Amino acid sequence: GAVVSQHPSWVICKSGTSVKIECRSLDFQATTMFWYRQFPKQSLMLMATSNEGSKATYEQGVEKDKFLINHASLTLSTLTVTSAHPEDSSFYICSASTPGAPGNTIYFGEGSWLTVV
Amino acid sequence: AQSVTQLDSHVSVSEGTPVLLRCNYSSSYSPSLFWYVQHPNKGLQLLLKYTSAATLVKGINGFEAEFKKSETSFHLTKPSAHMSDAAEYFCVVSDYMIKGTYKYIFGTGTRLKVLA
Repeated sequence: GAVVSQHPSWVICKSGTSVKIECRSLDFQATTMFWYRQFPKQSLMLMATSNEGSKATYEQGVEKDKFLINHASLTLSTLTVTSAHPEDSSFYICSASTPGAPGNTIYFGEGSWLTVV
Repeated sequence: AQSVTQLDSHVSVSEGTPVLLRCNYSSSYSPSLFWYVQHPNKGLQLLLKYTSAATLVKGINGFEAEFKKSETSFHLTKPSAHMSDAAEYFCVVSDYMIKGTYKYIFGTGTRLKVLA
């Protein structure tokens, strides 16, 4: 099946710095990618929908200047957490959707643990 | 707008006994529905999906789900639980956005515990 690769799996950064997380679709072209945040023992919270070649659509309450999303190609989307703070520490997961008809399966990356110290 | 409700936040079963994880949805049109499993500190893996074909959908690892339009349900079942099934399970419904794109609505998750 389709594979989505997310990198890095674990990252620790200092407060005030920025960190980039990559999401790649390895064997299909993903016109749409999604970024989620997951707090411990909770469901996934959609942060933004990333469409190749256009600006990301952010969910209400998500700061677009803090969570920069770039979908530069059909196989790569990046999430940059700018000026990170300890409260940004979380599990971030990306997913990618195959183009076409309704009911497209979304495939998830393995997630990235971000710890801001 | 679409929504999905997972009725149980925690389910415990003994190894070898049946599993039932409940999911109800609301939809203004024919939905596409998915079940995903998440093991600790991992991403999500697709178990199965329904996209208006057969109402009984078979997935991986012996799981299956039945789409019941009259009950707006898509419950996940497995005849015999295995210890490796212990994980978090998410029911997901797709929602049409614009320009042919879809948004995926997640349930709050059901944590399955399998007792030896």
